[in-house]
Amino acid sequence: RKEVEQDPGPFNVPEGATVAFNCTYSNSASQSFFWYRQDCRKEPKLLMSVYSSGNEDGRFTAQLNRASQYISLLIRDSKLSDSATYLCVAMTSYNFNKFYFGSGTKLNVKP
Amino acid sequence: DAGVTQSPTHLIKTRGQHVTLRCSPISGHKSVSWYQQVLGQGPQFIFQYYEKEERGRGNFPDRFSARQFPNYSSELNVNALLLGDSALYLCASSFGPSGTEQFFGPGTRLTVL
Repeated sequence: RKEVEQDPGPFNVPEGATVAFNCTYSNSASQSFFWYRQDCRKEPKLLMSVYSSGNEDGRFTAQLNRASQYISLLIRDSKLSDSATYLCVAMTSYNFNKFYFGSGTKLNVKP
Repeated sequence: DAGVTQSPTHLIKTRGQHVTLRCSPISGHKSVSWYQQVLGQGPQFIFQYYEKEERGRGNFPDRFSARQFPNYSSELNVNALLLGDSALYLCASSFGPSGTEQFFGPGTRLTVL
C-alpha cells in the first residue's frame, strides 16, 4: 500500500470553476502535510502547508482530517495558469524528516 | 539569490555504467535530500544529508550512494545502471535537518539505454 494516495485525474475544468482534490495517507504517525505544484517537466514547488485548523492562501484552501487520514485542496475561481499536477505530501519525523509524495493529481483548466 | 542548482541537466548512459549527479543547495541551507521521480509518479526519497552526515535513506539498493561536502553541496552516485534507473533526479535543500520547507532544484534527467 502506498504511503500517500491520490486520484491521478485528470480533472478538466473551465476557467472560474471550483475544484477539489483529496489525498489519503496511511501512516497515522505522519506529522506534517503539504501540497506541491509541479508543472510539466519542472521541479515541484511548495504551494502550501496544511495545518490541522485548515488554512487559506488566496484562492487556495487546504484542510486536514487526522481522524480519517485525508488532506484536501480546494481551488476557487480556477485560472488557466493553475493547470499543473498537484502533489500531496505527508511527512514523518523519527531521526529525520521523511517526505512521502503522492503520485499527483493532474488539473487542466480550459478557457 | 540563487536557488538550488543541479548538474548536468540531462544525461544519457548505457546499462552497467556509473553516473554522478551534483547539487548545490540554497546559500545558508545545510540539508540536502535526493529524490527519484519516474514518469507519472511522485518523487521517491533516496537520501538526506545534513552537515556531511547521512541522516536518512529510502528504499533504494546499495548501488545508490551519496555524500555531502563541507560547502554543503552534494553528489549522488549510481553504479551499475539499469534501465529502470531512468528518471528525473531531484535535489531539495532545507535549512536544517528538521526543516519542513524544502526547495527543489530543476533536476537531472537521466536516460539509461
